[in-house]
Amino acid sequence: KAGVTQTPRYLIKTRGQQVTLSCSPISGHRSVSWYQQTPGQGLQFLFEYFSETQRNKGNFPGRFSGRQFSNSRSEMNVSTLELGDSALYLCASSQGEFSSYNEQFFGPGTRLTVL
Amino acid sequence: DQQVKQNSPSLSVQEGRISILNCDYTNSMFDYFLWYKKYPAEGPTFLISISSIKDKNEDGRFTVFLNKSAKHLSLHIVPSQPGDSAVYFCAAPRVGGSTLGRLYFGRGTQLTVWP
Repeated sequence: KAGVTQTPRYLIKTRGQQVTLSCSPISGHRSVSWYQQTPGQGLQFLFEYFSETQRNKGNFPGRFSGRQFSNSRSEMNVSTLELGDSALYLCASSQGEFSSYNEQFFGPGTRLTVL
Repeated sequence: DQQVKQNSPSLSVQEGRISILNCDYTNSMFDYFLWYKKYPAEGPTFLISISSIKDKNEDGRFTVFLNKSAKHLSLHIVPSQPGDSAVYFCAAPRVGGSTLGRLYFGRGTQLTVWP
């Protein structure tokens, strides 16, 4: 079974631009969560989607948004990029909202660099 | 606010010795804890977990200890191997609700096991 895939793996943008990151969960998984990893803050929760509905959102500004499609694939968008948005963005998938945490699988992440 | 804290950013241990990684938490409502391991260019992978009804959980070379009164948990790796060199994250799920997504992560500890 293929794992969680994230595209692109690396991205370089300049301040003020916007970016869209994509996550394809494991086949059959319906829940997708997004995290931002920075050296100073560790992993910080962005949002979670289940069956195309946002179920939970972290403490990030409105420039960060996301969505989930009917095939469970998810995208996150960051508008008006700032230097501080440079980070590794991780996506995690699980089968459903009652899955146990050891059944949540992370993708390799998208490394975003904002210049 | 950092509800899960890993105060040691790095730990260096000789092969064959014990590695002890520490984690503290502030939310006394947390009732489940997880450890993840992360290699460069890969997403975090689940390692071991512990429920608050236990004070110890063992899986091969990995043992997690939980001290609820001190709001402290630790991961012991015995014996340590060079392949254990990675960043280790301590995490706890948000309290309440049925959704899976939100995990509170510590900032991680980089473990280096040298021959």
